[in-house]
Amino acid sequence: AQSVTQPDIHITVSEGASLELRCNYSYGATPYLFWYVQSPGQGLQLLLKYFSGDTLVQGIKGFEAEFKRSQSSFNLRKPSVHWSDAAEYFCAVGVSPAAGNKLTFGGGTRVLVKP
Amino acid sequence: GAVVSQHPSRVICKSGTSVKIECRSLDFQATTMFWYRQFPKQSLMLMATSNEGSKATYEQGVEKDKFLINHASLTLSTLTVTSAHPEDSSFYICSADRGPGGGYTFGSGTRLTVV
Repeated sequence: AQSVTQPDIHITVSEGASLELRCNYSYGATPYLFWYVQSPGQGLQLLLKYFSGDTLVQGIKGFEAEFKRSQSSFNLRKPSVHWSDAAEYFCAVGVSPAAGNKLTFGGGTRVLVKP
Repeated sequence: GAVVSQHPSRVICKSGTSVKIECRSLDFQATTMFWYRQFPKQSLMLMATSNEGSKATYEQGVEKDKFLINHASLTLSTLTVTSAHPEDSSFYICSADRGPGGGYTFGSGTRLTVV
């Protein structure tokens, strides 16, 4: 079975600074990887996803993530953080992009942005 | 596009009563809907997978008689928490599978408080 680990529970970053959120997965085959963002009391919004192809994936809101098979990682980055980026971020892995396949979520990383 | 409408957003109910949560896919057909539960400051835990026209598949440890899932049409899935107790208080989120390559669209969540 697949699993996802987000080593950092909390990260505090100054506005304008860069941000990197770590995600490590465990799965025997090529995974399908996702990053979601959740604001308090809200559902999840997809930031980006990796299915295949270019290992550097561009997403919305200026986020990008890089799939590194050798490290079983899919870290999320943003060059310059805005105050509105304060939220909870979840990495998720799916066994297939096709219908009917469930996602396994990491524990989440809460991002706090200092002015 | 690809919106999932989840209602209600918040509900408070008395212990012993039942609560129904609805998720509708507004501009696409969702053959598969996933239902998650999220405790405060924790990740999403999959409760069940529902496919249109068939019985839901529940994850281990989830009581199927307590959490009734109905997916009678391609655009509507419901979760009914029966005989609710305070320990059922949680944030419930649905997610619709948009098909191959489409990823998953999440509802905005329902905060259930049982008093």
